[in-house]
Amino acid sequence: KAGVTQTPRYLIKTRGQQVTLSCSPISGHRSVSWYQQTPGQGLQFLFEYFSETQRNKGNFPGRFSGRQFSNSRSEMNVSTLELGDSALYLCASSLQTGQSTYEQYFGPGTRLTVT
Amino acid sequence: GDSVTQMEGPVTLSEEAFLTINCTYTATGYPSLFWYVQYPGEGLQLLLKATKADDKGSNKGFEATYRKETTSFHLEKGSVQVSDSAVYFCALSESGRSQGNLIFGKGTKLSVKP
Repeated sequence: KAGVTQTPRYLIKTRGQQVTLSCSPISGHRSVSWYQQTPGQGLQFLFEYFSETQRNKGNFPGRFSGRQFSNSRSEMNVSTLELGDSALYLCASSLQTGQSTYEQYFGPGTRLTVT
Repeated sequence: GDSVTQMEGPVTLSEEAFLTINCTYTATGYPSLFWYVQYPGEGLQLLLKATKADDKGSNKGFEATYRKETTSFHLEKGSVQVSDSAVYFCALSESGRSQGNLIFGKGTKLSVKP
């Protein structure tokens, strides 16, 4: 079974631009979560989507948004980029069919650099 | 809110040494606890998990026991190898909520020397 894939792997953008990152979950997984990883703040939860609905949201400004498609693929968008948005963005998928603890499987991440 | 505190590294050990990475948490209710590992240039891999008090998670020689009385989930391995060099993250998932929101510690970098 193919793992979680994220595209692109590396991205360089300029302040003020916007960016869209893509995540394809493991086949059959309906939950997709996004995290931001920086040296200073560590790993922080951005949002989670389940069956095309945002189920949880972290403490990030409205410039960060996401969506999930009917095939469970997910995108996240960051508008009006700031230097502080430079980070590794990780996507994770899991089965999530109930309240049981299902493992989250992480992709390799997208390294975003804002100049 | 809920939080995770883990010992900050880096931790440098010789091969075959004993490893302990401390992790404590603050949470209301009964969270699930995890250890993830991140190798250079890669995403996170789930190492082990525990979903209730006194559960012991284990994988690849690593172990951690969910201690509710001390709110801890320390990671241990009896004999580390060079290939264990990585960053280790302790994480929790709040009880009563979806499992898609993990709260992570800051990570502990482990270097194992031959």
